[in-house]
Amino acid sequence: GENVEQHPSTLSVQEGDSAVIKCTYSDSASNYFPWYKQELGKRPQLIIDIRSNVGEKKDQRIAVTLNKTAKHFSLHITETQPEDSAVYFCAALKTSYDKVIFGPGTSLSVIP
Amino acid sequence: NAGVTQTPKFQVLKTGQSMTLQCAQDMNHEYMSWYRQDPGMGLRLIHYSVGAGITDQGEVPNGYNVSRSTTEDFPLRLLSAAPSQTSVYFCASSYQTLGGTEAFFGQGTRLTVV
Repeated sequence: GENVEQHPSTLSVQEGDSAVIKCTYSDSASNYFPWYKQELGKRPQLIIDIRSNVGEKKDQRIAVTLNKTAKHFSLHITETQPEDSAVYFCAALKTSYDKVIFGPGTSLSVIP
Repeated sequence: NAGVTQTPKFQVLKTGQSMTLQCAQDMNHEYMSWYRQDPGMGLRLIHYSVGAGITDQGEVPNGYNVSRSTTEDFPLRLLSAAPSQTSVYFCASSYQTLGGTEAFFGQGTRLTVV
């Protein structure tokens, strides 16, 4: 399985500001990088993912960038809103048969 | 389409008791897994399965057993509950494709061992 580190562990931003969460991985063969959002008391849900043949992917206010050389990928949230407050998890996989090990999570608080 | 269904949602056990957490999915997913999430902590993989009849250990397998007799079901058994197993348990499933796909999570089971 892959080893994923995630930073920061907690992040507090003012509403309207941007938030960036970074993950690093150890296995250069990893090629699938999902991000999950878990609101308080809820189940984790996929918000965006990226594959190794793409450097950046956007979905409205959310984007993910991938640097394969440096083995890190980042989640970018622009124009943050209070409903963005949640814990965010990243993962890195080589194949769908990999055991899915998540990063330790980042608790994001958006202050109105 | 129910997705991933976990039962029960809440459970209180006494130390030493055994129980089975149920997980069922109706999406014909090959890959299923169990995670535990302790307060303020991340998702730690307990066991996973890449298909019926195949299971393997995750990061924290001790004290838990699993089996996968059908594609749909992946029960998690606590053999002799301990207070350290107090946690929220999530089951997840996904398709098997080259490179990975979205994992769908159940609603979670909150287990307290006293």
